Amino acid sequence: GQNIDQPTEMTATEGAIVQINCTYQTSGFNGLFWYQQHAGEAPTFLSYNVLDGLEEKGRFSSFLSRSKGYSYLLLKELQMKDSASYLCAALDSNYQLIWGAGTKLIIKP
Amino acid sequence: DAMVIQNPRYQVTQFGKPVTLSCSQTLNHNVMYWYQQKSSQAPKLLFHYYDKDFNNEADTPDNFQSRRPNTSFCFLDIRSPGLGDAAMYLCATSHRTSDSDEQFFGPGTRLTVL
Repeated sequence: GQNIDQPTEMTATEGAIVQINCTYQTSGFNGLFWYQQHAGEAPTFLSYNVLDGLEEKGRFSSFLSRSKGYSYLLLKELQMKDSASYLCAALDSNYQLIWGAGTKLIIKP
Repeated sequence: DAMVIQNPRYQVTQFGKPVTLSCSQTLNHNVMYWYQQKSSQAPKLLFHYYDKDFNNEADTPDNFQSRRPNTSFCFLDIRSPGLGDAAMYLCATSHRTSDSDEQFFGPGTRLTVL
């Protein structure tokens, strides 16, 4: 079956760094997305990886290892506004997004 | 600005009373999706249109129907809402290419069933 695993909740301190891990099993693979979702709002796109390696975009970076079925989202210099859920989603061979349940990130001052 | 628009943002209906949610896009994307998302859960794909081709997920109840009269608009009809249908309904679009299928989401419609 198809499955996405990510931690349910994480806590970090303002100004620190946090890494949110995601493992996936899908039938076929056409890339991995990270979305940010604030409570009561729609998901917003953060990153897309289809090749192995690290993609950096400002304070956020995303890493992919296709052979391990593994990705992580790295958030640096955490700000209070980064408190949100972070959703990992893999694109399968039918171009369907298989979603994780999201990681709720709590930032403390 | 190009965007995905959903109306209404908040919808209250009574148990069993049909309701229609609407989505429009100015991105000219060929794929439109409807998701249901309940609190602290992943978005659940209900169906999607690839151009005019309708694709229903196997576990989407018959109570949920969709229409896409043109490229820009897509509707979600809930024929007889139950209490379990209270959720956030997300519309998304994508321009499916061989390189990526990034989905752009509308703000969502929060449905309450009384």
